Amino acid sequence: DAGVIQSPRHEVTEMGQEVTLRCKPISGHDYLFWYRQTMMRGLELLIYFNNNVPIDDSGMPEDRFSAKMPNASFSTLKIQPSEPRDSAVYFCASSPDRNQPQHFGDGTRLSIL
Amino acid sequence: GEDVEQSLFLSVREGDSSVINCTYTDSSSTYLYWYKQEPGAGLQLLTYIFSNMDMKQDQRLTVLLNKKDKHLSLRIADTQTGDSAIYFCAESIGSWGKLQFGAGTQVVVTP
Repeated sequence: DAGVIQSPRHEVTEMGQEVTLRCKPISGHDYLFWYRQTMMRGLELLIYFNNNVPIDDSGMPEDRFSAKMPNASFSTLKIQPSEPRDSAVYFCASSPDRNQPQHFGDGTRLSIL
Repeated sequence: GEDVEQSLFLSVREGDSSVINCTYTDSSSTYLYWYKQEPGAGLQLLTYIFSNMDMKQDQRLTVLLNKKDKHLSLRIADTQTGDSAIYFCAESIGSWGKLQFGAGTQVVVTP
């Protein structure tokens, strides 16, 4: 079975540029989560969706961050404009329901120069 | 607020048992999880335990839960070099299944 698929795996761009990270959850999973991992702050939940609807975006750091889920099989996390402090590994995860384990993608390693 | 604490580092000799400890704060957590992260990879679910259980065993892995002390542990029997990784403890919080992760324990297995 295909797991959670994220793209790109690596992204290097200059500050000020728009960055779009993509995620395809596991088919049939109703919950989708976006996390950010840094050495300083560990794993932080940014936002999560239930049935394509954003439920809690309190972890989104600033208005420069936005996330969408236009359908059950696709989500994007966008940063515009990007800044060097946004450099991190961004993970997408999905789960079948709120009481089932979350399954993680391999992440996108983002470097903002 | 919620906080999950783990020791940051564990060194273990190949063939020995590893024990990774975790304390959590939300007594209403329904599930507690252990994830493994290898370098450059995502988080792999290892095992999880429901809060009404005291112990769960899965091959070389044993999870112990002490709800009174809010203490969770993961024992890896016969530790192998492939077990070298960062191990994250996580608790489910709230009604929507949000996960609160610890900082991770780096396990290094030496020959």
